[in-house]
Amino acid sequence: ETGVTQTPRHLVMGMTNKKSLKCEQHLGHNAMYWYKQSAKKPLELMFVYNFKEQTENNSVPSRFSPECPNSSHLFLHLHTLQPEDSALYLCASSQLSGGFGEKLFFGSGTQLSVL
Amino acid sequence: AQSVTQLGSHVSVSEGALVLLRCNYSSSVPPYLFWYVQYPNQGLQLLLKYTTGATLVKGINGFEAEFKKSETSFHLTKPSAHMSDAAEYFCAVSERYDMRFGAGTRLTVKP
Repeated sequence: ETGVTQTPRHLVMGMTNKKSLKCEQHLGHNAMYWYKQSAKKPLELMFVYNFKEQTENNSVPSRFSPECPNSSHLFLHLHTLQPEDSALYLCASSQLSGGFGEKLFFGSGTQLSVL
Repeated sequence: AQSVTQLGSHVSVSEGALVLLRCNYSSSVPPYLFWYVQYPNQGLQLLLKYTTGATLVKGINGFEAEFKKSETSFHLTKPSAHMSDAAEYFCAVSERYDMRFGAGTRLTVKP
């Protein structure tokens, strides 16, 4: 049981499409994250939200646009993606209190294919 | 900035054999270190974590890891592999909310 739900599980989109990934956490955590997982590469931290405020943006292209309306929901809006953006997108949450050493709880991910 | 390096992208062991997955870290401050496991079509799950205190950390499913500051290592071990241990394993280091992961090691368990 992870308590973090991601939808959809799979998404295929063209380069001109606009789509959104959704994440919901049921754990009462105060921080949420988007990670990108590509084959044979380390997980890449994309965005961090702490108490609904974005505290990290790891030089992510503007075609990825996050939204965090409240501490339980996180979206990743996708627009004009490139084929190299095809990857597994993982959402995670944690409880931050002082910041250090907080374990992450992950969702099952959205497998994105850009054609 | 902190980072981790996992040695070996693929490890294969026989059922019942010792599992050893290697991780070395780089951190400018005392590190918080983690091992996560990912089963097919699932997100990552925490196996164990080291913050402070005892350098030998026990996790779930019989796994443990030892923090060795002199070697900047945090290797994951299990005395006897089980078929259900086949998965991808990730080492990670944390400074505040910026958790950095290694590239992963895929563990295969042969009957």
